[in-house]
Amino acid sequence: DAGITQSPRYKITETGRQVTLMCHQTWSHSYMFWYRQDLGHGLRLIYYSAAADITDKGEVPDGYVVSRSKTENFPLTLESATRSQTSVYFCASRTAGPYNEQFFGPGTRLTVL
Amino acid sequence: AQSVSQHNHHVILSEAASLELGCNYSYGGTVNLFWYVQYPGQHLQLLLKYFSGDPLVKGIKGFEAEFIKSKFSFNLRKPSVQWSDTAEYFCAVGWGNDMRFGAGTRLTVKP
Repeated sequence: DAGITQSPRYKITETGRQVTLMCHQTWSHSYMFWYRQDLGHGLRLIYYSAAADITDKGEVPDGYVVSRSKTENFPLTLESATRSQTSVYFCASRTAGPYNEQFFGPGTRLTVL
Repeated sequence: AQSVSQHNHHVILSEAASLELGCNYSYGGTVNLFWYVQYPGQHLQLLLKYFSGDPLVKGIKGFEAEFIKSKFSFNLRKPSVQWSDTAEYFCAVGWGNDMRFGAGTRLTVKP
């Protein structure tokens, strides 16, 4: 029962570099989400996807790109990393329908120098 | 804009003390309400959720929460905390495909 996994768990990069964070779920959940967690802000939604090839912006999408070619994968790319993107990133998934709980991955701690 | 407020940033209690964490939201329509817990070094886990029906919901590990629609509140309670309840607690409000989280409350329980 792998559930939802994220890789890498820790990443240090430099300003201006491209970084991709991976998210993989084994439940075939329709919906997948990317959040960032910052002190004092809780979790803020970056992007979400309702199904393969369907993505939509969340609360804080600027500077991020997502894709979802397969149901089980939902990578998040920082095209040109900035220091303000230093954060802990969580991926989550849930089944279709708005009433179901989201299941979270273990998180990726990203530091941009 | 919709928002979720958690009033307590850090709460420190002794074991066996009672706990109440406040959560208020600003959205006038139908919402789904959640409390998540994040133990140190772990991912978020669902404590309890409210969709409809009895406004007093019971979750795992002895936690409960009460939805008071007129106050736009969904406070989390536990009658007697344990050291193992030390964690960060997040209130979340969902509507449609959107979900907003509060800033979190860090709970420290002293043995």
